[in-house]
Formats: sequence, structure tokens, C-alpha cells
Amino acid sequence: GAGVSQSPRYKVAKRGQDVALRCDPISGHVSLFWYQQALGQGPEFLTYFQNEAQLDKSGLPSDRFFAERPEGSVSTLKIQRTQQEDSAVYLCASSFAGTSPNEQFFGPGTRLTVL
Amino acid sequence: GNSVTQMEGPVTLSEEAFLTINCTYTATGYPSLFWYVQYPGEGLQLLLKATKADDKGSNKGFEATYRKETTSFHLEKGSVQVSDSAVYFCALREYGNKLVFGAGTILRVKS
Repeated sequence: GAGVSQSPRYKVAKRGQDVALRCDPISGHVSLFWYQQALGQGPEFLTYFQNEAQLDKSGLPSDRFFAERPEGSVSTLKIQRTQQEDSAVYLCASSFAGTSPNEQFFGPGTRLTVL
Repeated sequence: GNSVTQMEGPVTLSEEAFLTINCTYTATGYPSLFWYVQYPGEGLQLLLKATKADDKGSNKGFEATYRKETTSFHLEKGSVQVSDSAVYFCALREYGNKLVFGAGTILRVKS
């Protein structure tokens, strides 16, 4: 594809529901990142994959958040038992190589609203 | 930990005015610095970057210089257009490639 895609673009969940957010990175991109952007704030790092390996998950706010990238391409961010404070835009980014810094290309984000 | 502070907005300018958006950072070592832009309804896009001290990043008439002595990376443009209206984010890249962003500055340009 031409860029990073994310689905769904919008998700409304009732408090306590589980949600799954999908990211399709640019083909061939080794690194994949998830960020959380609260309203009126800058994105905050959640987790980072190099191929299928999750190298850094230091930004995940609680054990309710889980991310995977089993085949080194598509990634899913899962949030269990959603809370109102989980309402945010979830951004996915990918970059070409993991061993040297490269530009991160961002997807349009998934806006999650927890009622 | 590392952090980025940028001026609060919104910044409202008339077309062809000079733009400065201040950005300062706190970091160990010498991170790479970035400005990202988010146009209404669109995703984050890289605007410019600088990877070492005294480097100047430039793109689309925007410029920013990596100032190690003042730990700053201020964004400037000599003559803004209505189409520059967007949210601008300053960011640094830590070891391990994750980005640390400022809170963003809304720019509104009036015709």
C-alpha cells in the first residue's frame, strides 16, 4: 500500500469491553511503533516492534494493554476491560530499518471513545 | 527522562507574517530532533529534521536549527500562508528510535 493504514478509524466502546486496533505498516518496513495521543496532547510512546519481536513495551500504561505482530507485518493493539481514561487516538508508525534511525511514517490513527 | 517543551498556542497570524514556534528539549546525549505537522483531518507528517548540533533542517519554507548550547530547535518561516494552518509538534528521537513529542502548537493563519 501507499502508506500506513489503521482500522477501524473510529471505535466506540462501553466501559469494560475489549477492543482490538489494527495497523498495516508500509510493506517492507521492519520497525513498527504504537503511540497514544490524548486530546490536545502530543503522541506518547506505547510499544515498539522490530519484525515480530517486541523490543520495548515500556510505554504500555497497564497490563490491560497488549500488542502483537506475529508475522512481522500487521500489528494489533488490544485493550482489555476498557476504561474512560483509555479514550484517545491510537497512532501506528512504521519505518524501514531497525538498526539505524529512519523516518517514521504515521497512519491516520484510530479514535477510541470509551463511554 | 527525556522531554520536549513547546510554546502553547494557538498562534494566530495574518498571511505573510513571520512565524516562530519555540521548542526546547531535555535529553541525555545528543538526540535527533524533528518537527512534525498535522493538517486538519490528516495524519502526522514529518516536516523537517536535524541529527546533530548546528544542523539546519528545512522544508517548504520552514527552517529549524539544532542549538545544543540552548537545547532548542525553534521552527521559523518567513512568510506564512493560510495553507500552513495546522498543528505543529516538536519531537526528539531517543536511543531505540522511539519519539518523544511536545504537546503541539496550533497555528491559525488568516487571509
